[in-house]
Amino acid sequence: QQQVKQSPQSLIVQKGGISIINCAYENTAFDYFPWYQQFPGKGPALLIAIRPDVSEKKEGRFTISFNKSAKQFSLHIMDSQPGDSATYFCAGNSGNTPLVFGKGTRLSVIA
Amino acid sequence: EPEVTQTPSHQVTQMGQEVILRCVPISNHLYFYWYRQILGQKVEFLVSFYNNEISEKSEIFDDQFSVERPDGSNFTLKIRSTKLEDSAMYFCASSEAGHGYGYTFGSGTRLTVV
Repeated sequence: QQQVKQSPQSLIVQKGGISIINCAYENTAFDYFPWYQQFPGKGPALLIAIRPDVSEKKEGRFTISFNKSAKQFSLHIMDSQPGDSATYFCAGNSGNTPLVFGKGTRLSVIA
Repeated sequence: EPEVTQTPSHQVTQMGQEVILRCVPISNHLYFYWYRQILGQKVEFLVSFYNNEISEKSEIFDDQFSVERPDGSNFTLKIRSTKLEDSAMYFCASSEAGHGYGYTFGSGTRLTVV
């Protein structure tokens, strides 16, 4: 009930392309879904987050799409840049549970 | 921008030794967490701490682990008798509002048990 499943494990995208990472959650009590970006040797940094009362949230080149009925959400990175190369983690939690992370997606944006 | 500070950045210890990992959370945050990340794997929850007591812990957080907030600023994780499998990155995080909101993570302490 606590798992967050993330795919793909790794992703290679051309510069300027769209990166798409998908996540599925099990716990229907989850009401907060953040995405974290992690560079090597650093801690995860909050990138963007969504609550289930909206189906989409956009911040700059980053968009979360949320499908409550399917219990799925995804991160879209538009116009991907080499500087976006990092590991991305989706996560979920509720008022009663700590943050549960997916296994991560290693994104490489190549020129 | 406020940040969570962790020390040391890297700790090497012999198996069976005790280690203390230190964290200074963001000053107005009330909820504190420890997570760990074994190399190349996902970030796993260890323990949450609120109002000077543990609010939740995972099955990983056994009797070898303890947390403490010894003063108004520091938050520590102690591992009493380290094992090889404790080798990991340990991340401290803090949150203003607790579960259901975002956490701010520190840069981590890489613990290597030899």
